[in-house]
Amino acid sequence: AQKVTQAQTEISVVEKEDVTLDCVYETRDTTYYLFWYKQPPSGELVFLIRRNSFDEQNEISGRYSWNFQKSTSSFNFTITASQVVDSAVYFCALSDLDSNYQLIWGAGTKLIIKP
Amino acid sequence: DTEVTQTPKHLVMGMTNKKSLKCEQHMGHRAMYWYKQKAKKPPELMFVYSYEKLSINESVPSRFSPECPNSSLLNLHLHALQPEDSALYLCASSPLPGTSGLLFAKYFGPGTRLTVL
Repeated sequence: AQKVTQAQTEISVVEKEDVTLDCVYETRDTTYYLFWYKQPPSGELVFLIRRNSFDEQNEISGRYSWNFQKSTSSFNFTITASQVVDSAVYFCALSDLDSNYQLIWGAGTKLIIKP
Repeated sequence: DTEVTQTPKHLVMGMTNKKSLKCEQHMGHRAMYWYKQKAKKPPELMFVYSYEKLSINESVPSRFSPECPNSSLLNLHLHALQPEDSALYLCASSPLPGTSGLLFAKYFGPGTRLTVL
């Protein structure tokens, strides 16, 4: 069965530090999709990235970067030079054929950036 | 405009009340979603509409009744709810999938925080 594990329940860092949020997934399918969403205290989920299983290239978007490693079934998310506005709950999610391409969500990691 | 709006922001209702949640988007998206989120949990998919037709119903109790009157609007009608239905209700939209066939919620509204007394 599919599963997404975000082992870090809560992370707290001081502003300007780099921080990595871990995501480990399980799937039997060879075609699948991985996602990251951000949920700030206001409650609105913000889509950050979608990556398909055939594209292992790392991605960088400003201070955000994602490291996809099929060998370890991980899709980790790094924020460089963190800012207070990055404080949020971050969810990793998986979509595959078994899930009928619906999202299987991780439990989320609460990120606290202290000034 | 990449905005999904939801009204009301907060709703308190008794178990015998009938109320409705409203969601609107003007991005031309033909897929719209309702999610339920309990505190400190990930969202749970309730319903998906594509081309204004219900395509996914995740075994949601009949006291929740969705409606998609047109391509911009999505409603969730509530009747005889239970206290355990108290949660944040999120609406989302997305373009319909291309060749990948992948349908996923991309743009979320701010949610309606529902309290059932």
